[in-house]
Amino acid sequence: AQRVTQPEKLLSVFKGAPVELKCNYSYSGSPELFWYVQYSRQRLQLLLRHISRESIKGFTADLNKGETSFHLKKPFAQEEDSAMYYCALSGRVDKIIFGKGTRLHILP
Amino acid sequence: DTGVSQDPRHKITKRGQNVTFRCDPISEHNRLYWYRQTLGQGPEFLTYFQNEAQLEKSRLLSDRFSAERPKGSFSTLEIQRTEQGDSAMYLCASSSGQDGRAAEQFFGPGTRLTVL
Repeated sequence: AQRVTQPEKLLSVFKGAPVELKCNYSYSGSPELFWYVQYSRQRLQLLLRHISRESIKGFTADLNKGETSFHLKKPFAQEEDSAMYYCALSGRVDKIIFGKGTRLHILP
Repeated sequence: DTGVSQDPRHKITKRGQNVTFRCDPISEHNRLYWYRQTLGQGPEFLTYFQNEAQLEKSRLLSDRFSAERPKGSFSTLEIQRTEQGDSAMYLCASSSGQDGRAAEQFFGPGTRLTVL
């Protein structure tokens, strides 16, 4: 079965502390993995994708096929990082399967 | 604003009524997607178009749901005989669908449906 699991509904982190949002997936083939973000009062937008291997807004995510994980990390949290984060996968024909999301709250 | 637009942004209806939502994708995008999002959940895929052809439909899309994209531009999603369980945010997204791999999908602001 195709599934994306984000175990934390809410993650509170102090400003300047490291952030790690966990994501595990289940897929029989070779999916593409994404992180989407939704800031308050804004629409859902792509943050990063595993094939790009980029760092966006200081965030990185490494695909671990052995552990079927795609955790999102940032070394030093900033207040503007507070948002809803969705891990997602795409197998074929661009159909995206989203996790339930993790709300990241950066404490001052 | 050249992004994906959706109309209306909010819709309140009584159970049993029909509703129709519209999505205008980014103009050069050939792929259009509909998702549904309920409270505490991530978006769930409903259906997808490449140009005017509807290529995939989720099992979530019951017979009461129909989507069209007649000219390969805007799309409509109609729900007939609405039920309270249809209350959700309906999201539209579009992409350019290039080079055979998953292209970035650009999302609209959504239409929030409340069925009383």
